[in-house]
Amino acid sequence: EPEVTQTPSHQVTQMGQEVILRCVPISNHLYFYWYRQILGQKVEFLVSFYNNEISEKSEIFDDQFSVERPDGSNFTLKIRSTKLEDSAMYFCASSGGTHLAKNIQYFGAGTRLSVL
Amino acid sequence: AQTVTQSQPEMSVQEAETVTLSCTYDTSESDYYLFWYKQPPSRQMILVIRQEAYKQQNATENRFSVNFQKAAKSFSLKISDSQLGDAAMYFCAYRSARGGYQKVTFGTGTKLQVIP
Repeated sequence: EPEVTQTPSHQVTQMGQEVILRCVPISNHLYFYWYRQILGQKVEFLVSFYNNEISEKSEIFDDQFSVERPDGSNFTLKIRSTKLEDSAMYFCASSGGTHLAKNIQYFGAGTRLSVL
Repeated sequence: AQTVTQSQPEMSVQEAETVTLSCTYDTSESDYYLFWYKQPPSRQMILVIRQEAYKQQNATENRFSVNFQKAAKSFSLKISDSQLGDAAMYFCAYRSARGGYQKVTFGTGTKLQVIP
């Protein structure tokens, strides 16, 4: 069964450093998303992306964050200057283009970001 | 804005027994999707079951079924014949059917413990 793949599974970085989290969505999907989950809290929406542009973003997704689909398969989340409070699990998700498929988001296994 | 409420932070069930997890939501929309996601200790988000709001029939997936009460805005998950592998955090989630890029809104989760 096709799945969303995220790399790395765990990223450790120093405060102030830039990080790029990578995702390979399901191949025929058209909509892409990033969510984050701070330990012990609920999953929060960050951004959605369609047709090479941001469709919607939350208040969390400030100027420190950016997303990109650099080629036909990867979808990345960049954090320019990491803060301690960016430590969280980051989930990538994708959904398809048909009426039903676009309403079901499939999640990757997540990247655990630890900012020291 | 849509909200999802899970009032049971923790639940426990004996192996082979049945347990019901509660969820309520608030929305002014008539067309939407509801989901239950499972998050085991690995923290991957796994789709368990979905319900389309326009369908009156409750969704069922093997040992998992839902009780969808649209007027009451209630969406509970029943797990029958509980197994040790069912132990996880369960998130109720909502998604508008308005457009392809709509975010998923999650509840705070219910931690399910399965007792051997």
